Amino acid sequence: DAGITQSPRHKVTETGTPVTLRCHQTENHRYMYWYRQDPGHGLRLIHYSYGVKDTDKGEVSDGYSVSRSKTEDFLLTLESATSSQTSVYFCAISHGQGDQPQHFGDGTRLSIL
Amino acid sequence: DQQVKQNSPSLSVQEGRISILNCDYTNSMFDYFLWYKKYPAEGPTFLISISSIKDKNEDGRFTVFLNKSAKHLSLHIVPSQPGDSAVYFCAALWAGNTPLVFGKGTRLSVIA
Repeated sequence: DAGITQSPRHKVTETGTPVTLRCHQTENHRYMYWYRQDPGHGLRLIHYSYGVKDTDKGEVSDGYSVSRSKTEDFLLTLESATSSQTSVYFCAISHGQGDQPQHFGDGTRLSIL
Repeated sequence: DQQVKQNSPSLSVQEGRISILNCDYTNSMFDYFLWYKKYPAEGPTFLISISSIKDKNEDGRFTVFLNKSAKHLSLHIVPSQPGDSAVYFCAALWAGNTPLVFGKGTRLSVIA
């Protein structure tokens, strides 16, 4: 298995609170991604990073911010969580070359009450 | 507008028979297509891919077929096994290191 660790694995919090999810990799891959998975929507890209301090928005970036201060860590922050952000969040990594596949972590289940 | 479409939310197949999962796309600029498999409470895992310059790629029980003129690809699983029961995602990307674009997934149930 690709060395990807997501933390926490589960979290329950209240509307309006800040939340930070962490993705840690040991593969030294250049690219890192955050997705959310919701019923009927599949996997949707939130933000991704193509290097340290280099990030870009995905399809559903509103309400989320990211940071990558070192190769191995990619943080996803919900500044003020809303119930619509209740979801399962997946981190992925890739070399980003040709058809080299992305490898995914096991996800964080986030519930916002 | 969805660029990658999996129009069948679910599929049920008997053990030992062929499973065929379909995927359509709208952007002719995609260079690669990938299939991922996802079990509950786990992250998606890469299954098989195909380049846009090929029309078939095979890996054991799994074969992906690409029809560029129809903008259609399919994943064939032969023979299907109960352990293949999962959600399957079709994905596509442009060369040049852009993120994958995923379909909404098809839930495959293989019945013993």
